[in-house]
Amino acid sequence: QKEVEQNSGPLSVPEGAIASLNCTYSDRGSQSFFWYRQYSGKSPELIMSIYSNGDKEDGRFTAQLNKASQYVSLLIRDSQPSDSATYLCAVTMSSGTYKYIFGTGTRLKVLA
Amino acid sequence: NAGVTQTPKFQVLKTGQSMTLQCAQDMNHNSMYWYRQDPGMGLRLIYYSASEGTTDKGEVPNGYNVSRLNKREFSLRLESAAPSQTSVYFCASSEYSATNEKLFFGSGTQLSVL
Repeated sequence: QKEVEQNSGPLSVPEGAIASLNCTYSDRGSQSFFWYRQYSGKSPELIMSIYSNGDKEDGRFTAQLNKASQYVSLLIRDSQPSDSATYLCAVTMSSGTYKYIFGTGTRLKVLA
Repeated sequence: NAGVTQTPKFQVLKTGQSMTLQCAQDMNHNSMYWYRQDPGMGLRLIYYSASEGTTDKGEVPNGYNVSRLNKREFSLRLESAAPSQTSVYFCASSEYSATNEKLFFGSGTQLSVL
């Protein structure tokens, strides 16, 4: 079982809709949680980081963390065709190891 | 601002050949990483270096060696390349802090082993 799990998709949503991306992780001691976006042929770039339970909002993006359920999600409001990309969930394992483990990524398609 | 620089960008090897992928960062980061990315597999951690002088295995270390030459440079070596090592390789660096962590990635190396 992979330490960080994501549905590979593709997830297709119409323009203007809310896209919901989900991620589960296995290490209960995980401290930090991240969402990276990767366009085809490019390097990943950080969208959101979240460290405590609850919601964190940044513009059209909201990250949600539930440590009890070992679950982190990313909501993209008012989805745009430019949001079409692969979204990678990343987790740092138990505190102090500096080791970032990624999920397999979810491919998002926003249909115009 | 160069950030994280990887060389080469493309490489074709024959089975059994060796090569070293170079990575350098100019952000004075302590931690550096090597990942590989295969279709449908996300990013898988090969090796990482939490600080100068230390290296640790990641998820898929077999067939690879690394050297943290100094704080700036972290190289990845394939001693005897195999077709299963055909992949896109990304180097990354980060500065760890309690609430402000971010990986900075290089542009990647497309490696094909025939």
